[in-house]
Amino acid sequence: EPEVTQTPSHQVTQMGQEVILRCVPISNHLYFYWYRQILGQKVEFLVSFYNNEISEKSEIFDDQFSVERPDGSNFTLKIRSTKLEDSAMYFCASSPRAGGPYYGYTFGSGTRLTVV
Amino acid sequence: SQELEQSPQSLIVQEGKNLTINCTSSKTLYGLYWYKQKYGEGLIFLMMLQKGGEEKSHEKITAKLDEKKQQSSLHITASQPSHAGIYLCGADGGSQGNLIFGKGTKLSVKP
Repeated sequence: EPEVTQTPSHQVTQMGQEVILRCVPISNHLYFYWYRQILGQKVEFLVSFYNNEISEKSEIFDDQFSVERPDGSNFTLKIRSTKLEDSAMYFCASSPRAGGPYYGYTFGSGTRLTVV
Repeated sequence: SQELEQSPQSLIVQEGKNLTINCTSSKTLYGLYWYKQKYGEGLIFLMMLQKGGEEKSHEKITAKLDEKKQQSSLHITASQPSHAGIYLCGADGGSQGNLIFGKGTKLSVKP
């Protein structure tokens, strides 16, 4: 079964450093998403991406965050200057179309980001 | 904005027992999704409910959406250790397919 692949599975970074989290969505999917889950809290939507641009973003997704699809396969989340409160599990998801899991929305296994 | 409240927060059951997890929405649900999360893994899609009164089953897991479409329950019959994990309910959060989630219910099954 097709999978969404995220790398690395765990990343430790120093406060103030830039990090790039990588995702390889399912190949024929067109909509891409990032979510985060701070330990003990809800999974929260960050951003959706379609046709090489951001289609929707939450209040969490401020100027320190950016997303990119640098080539035909990767989808990245960059955090420009990490803070301690950015420590969380980050999930990537992809879907063949908008409309939620009805159309085959698939999550990756996540990247655990620890900021020290 | 829409909020999803799950109860209980955590649950420990003996293997073989039945259990129910609830998800209550602050607004009418137009799509309710149940996911399972295991430590170090992603969110595994279990079931989707859209119509009031709808009920779906997969193996020993049954999910229902009430008639008013503001509450859903997930019922596990004859629980097994493989059912252990965190169960999340999710709902449509916007037109682009983003989801909102409840805080999750942590289920432990004692052999």
